[in-house]
Amino acid sequence: AQSVAQPEDQVNVAEGNPLTVKCTYSVSGNPYLFWYVQYPNRGLQFLLKYITGDNLVKGSYGFEAEFNKSQTSFHLKKPSALVSDSALYFCAVRAHSGYSTLTFGKGTMLLVSP
Amino acid sequence: GAGVSQTPSNKVTEKGKYVELRCDPISGHTALYWYRQSLGQGPEFLIYFQGTGAADDSGLPNDRFFAVRPEGSVSTLKIQRTERGDSAVYLCASSLGGGSGQETQYFGPGTRLLVL
Repeated sequence: AQSVAQPEDQVNVAEGNPLTVKCTYSVSGNPYLFWYVQYPNRGLQFLLKYITGDNLVKGSYGFEAEFNKSQTSFHLKKPSALVSDSALYFCAVRAHSGYSTLTFGKGTMLLVSP
Repeated sequence: GAGVSQTPSNKVTEKGKYVELRCDPISGHTALYWYRQSLGQGPEFLIYFQGTGAADDSGLPNDRFFAVRPEGSVSTLKIQRTERGDSAVYLCASSLGGGSGQETQYFGPGTRLLVL
């Protein structure tokens, strides 16, 4: 069975500092990997995804993520955090081959302080 | 363009009652998904439609839950004999089509269901 682990319930960072939100996954074969963000009382908004090719994926709002196959990780990063980045972030995985559902992690709350 | 819409945004009901939750996907999207998000958890898959048919309903927790998409667009999630444990946010998502694993799913704002 496929799974996603987000080891940190909460990440705190000061505005202007770099941020990292961690994600590791388990899937049979190669993965498709996704990051979504959820603001209070809102649905999930798509940030970026890894399909194949370049391990560094760039997405919306200055976010990027690095796929590391050997470590089965897909950490979300941003060089300079904004207070408005404060939200709940979800990593998700889907298998490349055959059919599989999209499996989400439990989420990581990012708090950016002024 | 318009995104995925869900109605109602909030629903309060009593234990044992029947509820219907509606999802209107992005126009032209043939794949539609329902998820349930409990407090402090990520979304959990319930059911996937490709067109009018349920291609995968393996996530439905029991036979009290049922979903339809009769014309391949709007979908309704139906919950019979609601229980307090059904309280959650129900999310709907759609994607362009084919159900390919690489397709991006676009989510609606969700319906917050509270069963008293």
